[in-house]
Amino acid sequence: NAGVTQTPKFQVLKTGQSMTLQCAQDMNHEYMSWYRQDPGMGLRLIHYSVGAGITDQGEVPNGYNVSRSTTEDFPLRLLSAAPSQTSVYFCASSVGLTGGARELFFGEGSRLTVL
Amino acid sequence: AQTVTQSQPEMSVQEAETVTLSCTYDTSESDYYLFWYKQPPSRQMILVIRQEAYKQQNATENRFSVNFQKAAKSFSLKISDSQLGDAAMYFCAYKGATSGSRLTFGEGTQLTVNP
Repeated sequence: NAGVTQTPKFQVLKTGQSMTLQCAQDMNHEYMSWYRQDPGMGLRLIHYSVGAGITDQGEVPNGYNVSRSTTEDFPLRLLSAAPSQTSVYFCASSVGLTGGARELFFGEGSRLTVL
Repeated sequence: AQTVTQSQPEMSVQEAETVTLSCTYDTSESDYYLFWYKQPPSRQMILVIRQEAYKQQNATENRFSVNFQKAAKSFSLKISDSQLGDAAMYFCAYKGATSGSRLTFGEGTQLTVNP
């Protein structure tokens, strides 16, 4: 019962460093997404994917890259970290692409601090 | 663009009492879905309840129920017989019928349950 797995759970970076947040799901979900959570702002969508090889931008995509080479994995890359990217990041996945009241399944989150 | 507003950053309730969390949203769509997610201190996002806009009947899940007022664009969550384990951040979320699986979240309401 792994569900959505994110690594690492905590990370401290220096400004300008790069890193990748990993996300994997074992539920064969077509849809995967990345959100960031900041105090007083809820969760905001960064990027999402509706299947292998297909990605699109969300509400706050600047400074982040994604790719989806397999159904299971959806890594989020920070190419040059900035203090404004200090946040908690959540990966989420869902079965199906055509909406409905389907549930989003979330990972446990990754807390990133950029100094 | 759709927006979701939770006007109560913090709420508190006595154990065994009832509390209502407010949520309003703005949309021009006629078909959509609404959700309440719970985020306990562990950070894991958990779906509490969901509502299809085309259904007039309010959704209920055990001690959790919603008051869905489509004309007023209001979607409040009522927690009855509050328990210590209900203490968490609660997020209201919106998904349009044409938005695939993309959710728009409110700012969140931190609920404290007092023994």
